[in-house]
Amino acid sequence: NAGVMQNPRHLVRRRGQEARLRCSPVKGHSHVYWYRQLPEEGLKFMVYLQKENIIDESGMPKERFSAEFPKEGPSILRIQQVVRGDSAAYFCASSKDRENEKLFFGSGTQLSVL
Amino acid sequence: DQQVKQNSPSLSVQEGRISILNCDYTNSMFDYFLWYKKYPAEGPTFLISISSIKDKNEDGRFTVFLNKSAKHLSLHIVPSQPGDSAVYFCAASARSNYQLIWGAGTKLIIKP
Repeated sequence: NAGVMQNPRHLVRRRGQEARLRCSPVKGHSHVYWYRQLPEEGLKFMVYLQKENIIDESGMPKERFSAEFPKEGPSILRIQQVVRGDSAAYFCASSKDRENEKLFFGSGTQLSVL
Repeated sequence: DQQVKQNSPSLSVQEGRISILNCDYTNSMFDYFLWYKKYPAEGPTFLISISSIKDKNEDGRFTVFLNKSAKHLSLHIVPSQPGDSAVYFCAASARSNYQLIWGAGTKLIIKP
């Protein structure tokens, strides 16, 4: 299965720790999107990256959150000094181009902050 | 401000009957609409889409209807099958903008 791979599936952190979420896109896809889903809500756009570039991070909180998609390796969503409100499911999607219907989603990382 | 609303958190339908899932939007700039299906512990998968130049798009058992004047779209599944039990998300975008705006989802339960 060459789909979008996210790890870990579940991540538990204590308040103040760092969380690193990884996403390997579909092979050949150079566009990566991160979405966050809070309980009982829809997915919320966070950031759109292409290889080595952040295209749009307008959905990301200004502090503590950062994302990268290096030339080699997976895309990383990093949350520093996590707080309880960061608890959510984080989904990564990839596409070959910018056409939205061609988004392929990973299974998500469930972050729980104690 | 919820730009995309799915007002029914859940829907229960008998197997073989028609399932109708509804979605309303407020932003008149939206011109592209998608439905995604999500099983527990999995990511959403694309189901069907429609652009604002159309009012209907059909793919097998799935049909999406768009009423631009009412800012309303619906997904029809007929006949409904047990494997259709999932959460269905409506999403919208302006084609010039890759950001998808999502509804909160409707959990569809198909009863045997």
